[in-house]
Amino acid sequence: DTAVSQTPKYLVTQMGNDKSIKCEQNLGHDTMYWYKQDSKKFLKIMFSYNNKELIINETVPNRFSPKSPDKAHLNLHINSLELGDSAVYFCASSQASALRYNEQFFGPGTRLTVL
Amino acid sequence: DAKTTQPPSMDCAEGRAANLPCNHSTISGNEYVYWYRQIHSQGPQYIIHGLKNNETNEMASLIITEDRKSSTLILPHATLRDTAVYYCSVVNAGGTSYGKLTFGQGTILTVHP
Repeated sequence: DTAVSQTPKYLVTQMGNDKSIKCEQNLGHDTMYWYKQDSKKFLKIMFSYNNKELIINETVPNRFSPKSPDKAHLNLHINSLELGDSAVYFCASSQASALRYNEQFFGPGTRLTVL
Repeated sequence: DAKTTQPPSMDCAEGRAANLPCNHSTISGNEYVYWYRQIHSQGPQYIIHGLKNNETNEMASLIITEDRKSSTLILPHATLRDTAVYYCSVVNAGGTSYGKLTFGQGTILTVHP
């Protein structure tokens, strides 16, 4: 069974469009994350939700809006896509405790290409 | 969070031990060292973490120097499937930093037959 799944795996779209990426985890974790990995492979956290509550919100343009309908799902909506948004977006999950937060399980990634 | 420095690439023969170093000279007392790896086209995978004692699990061993300014991840018997980018991250496990993993460019480990 897939632990953390993301859809779609690939997303190619035009500048200015609005798109969403979905994430689901079946590990029973209560914390989920969105990361962005750029072309140089640097991975940076964008958002984190714990039990549907936003707990990490890094310096990210407000065109990016996460939504967590329940603790097993965390979606990422991006408005007015720009060329610089092209990257691989990873969803991850973990269990909330002092040390377990950082033992994160990652999804396979969504490669977003903005033309 | 403390910054980490890793060699950009390393080679290892299959069946031999792979020793991957990481420098984190500005680490503070409440920061842990975490290791992840990313196999091509997959999401990062947690390997191991430690504070100051050496740690071992089914995947690897982590050796942290006494001054905690550097660490070494050891894959005791590397296989071809261990070829990946290995990331070392230093994270404050409490307060408002929990969950904030940040990875640099990591070390590309190539295991060859």
